[in-house]
Amino acid sequence: QSVLTQPPSVSAAPGQRVTISCSGSSSNIGNNYVSWYQQLPGSAPKLLIYDNDRRPSGIPDRFSGSKSGTSATLGITGLQSADEAEYYCATWDRSLSVVIFGGGTKLIVL
Amino acid sequence: VQLVQSGAEVKKPGASVRVSCQGSGYMFISYYVHWVRQAPGQGLEWMGWMNPNTGATKFAREFEGRVTMTTDTSIRTAFMDLSRLTSGDTAVYYCARVEQGCLGGFCYYNFDYWGQGTLVTVSS
Repeated sequence: QSVLTQPPSVSAAPGQRVTISCSGSSSNIGNNYVSWYQQLPGSAPKLLIYDNDRRPSGIPDRFSGSKSGTSATLGITGLQSADEAEYYCATWDRSLSVVIFGGGTKLIVL
Repeated sequence: VQLVQSGAEVKKPGASVRVSCQGSGYMFISYYVHWVRQAPGQGLEWMGWMNPNTGATKFAREFEGRVTMTTDTSIRTAFMDLSRLTSGDTAVYYCARVEQGCLGGFCYYNFDYWGQGTLVTVSS
């Protein structure tokens, strides 16, 4: 059971918008930056969002991140079948003194 | 930027394993190297980090005493050694280049490049 809580799965139709939540506490999300990762089946994770809401070069603007208080959200618009993957949030926890990952959310494109 | 890891390993319980991670395309000593593992069908579990410039390390509590992280900067390679293996250590092990720091008290850990993963199987 991760310290960061994500829904196990979300689903939406192609072209639609979906959001994935990541809930934490003041010792992690509340006082640190959040990053998001996409893991396609059989592949290594890939950085999608860093510093809460910034996209690395090459990541399309269909992907967005936000943070409010002790929660963060990943948004994906214009869903494509290629977006079907596992998504993880991550941050530092100053109480545990570790990097923590959320439990992961499987995105299903209907 | 590329991180290339060593090949799959099969080990018996009680043994040790070494996984290597060679970086290229960037200044190797300028970025921390973290190790993350993923058990079959499970999520990502952070193991620890190493600063290739200073040799400093930090490990997750559950691995302390069992994990060693080192680097050989002459060959731009990081190593992760895990001892006293059990079946619970069966997982894909990833290295990652991480940009990390703190700004105004808020800390960031951006895993911007990952190795391809190394499957370690522990079985009698």
